Amino acid sequence: ETGVTQTPRHLVMGMTNKKSLKCEQHLGHNAMYWYKQSAKKPLELMFVYNFKEQTENNSVPSRFSPECPNSSHLFLHLHTLQPEDSALYLCASSQGGNFYEQYFGPGTRLTVT
Amino acid sequence: GQQLNQSPQSMFIQEGEDVSMNCTSSSIFNTWLWYKQDPGEGPVLLIALYKAGELTSNGRLTAQFGITRKDSFLNISASIPSDVGIYFCAGQPRAASGAGSYQLTFGKGTKLSVIP
Repeated sequence: ETGVTQTPRHLVMGMTNKKSLKCEQHLGHNAMYWYKQSAKKPLELMFVYNFKEQTENNSVPSRFSPECPNSSHLFLHLHTLQPEDSALYLCASSQGGNFYEQYFGPGTRLTVT
Repeated sequence: GQQLNQSPQSMFIQEGEDVSMNCTSSSIFNTWLWYKQDPGEGPVLLIALYKAGELTSNGRLTAQFGITRKDSFLNISASIPSDVGIYFCAGQPRAASGAGSYQLTFGKGTKLSVIP
């Protein structure tokens, strides 16, 4: 595997379900990010982790819970989501010292029914 | 918050034509990035710009960091069908520092269609 991988690529879940999104980066980067991409809107940054420590939480509802066990892996735990949470969830990573060059995974297309 | 205005929102061009799109802001940015996103995939970094006036090429793509630090443009020369996709600009605002430094502001994208 190379670059940034995300699983699953597609997910359909009910509002009462609990599911997790997984991201893994094979680039040796130190920082990892979760973004939400909705139609007609700019990418929205959700969370930032640097060396496993959360450094940003952009007022994300608590039904989204991130976890970063090490610099290569990032999870997004989902529970009691709403239909408006349906979107493409993108993971990205960047190297320490150059946080601006972020490399994205293919995303997880989430549909909440 | 910071906003980036990308134009045009969409464009249809003939294969072989050159393409130009731009991104503007009301405030100063320290860094400009250009990404391309194909359907069903994540954005792919094309070009990164770090200095006002900087002009950088990546194959048929050329991007410039505006000298006012409030804009950037991306040119694609001799377009081909695989150039189809959505092109995003992103930037790091000058005001961001400390904990906010990791944040990029993204534009809404320019959707490019190439007619063979």
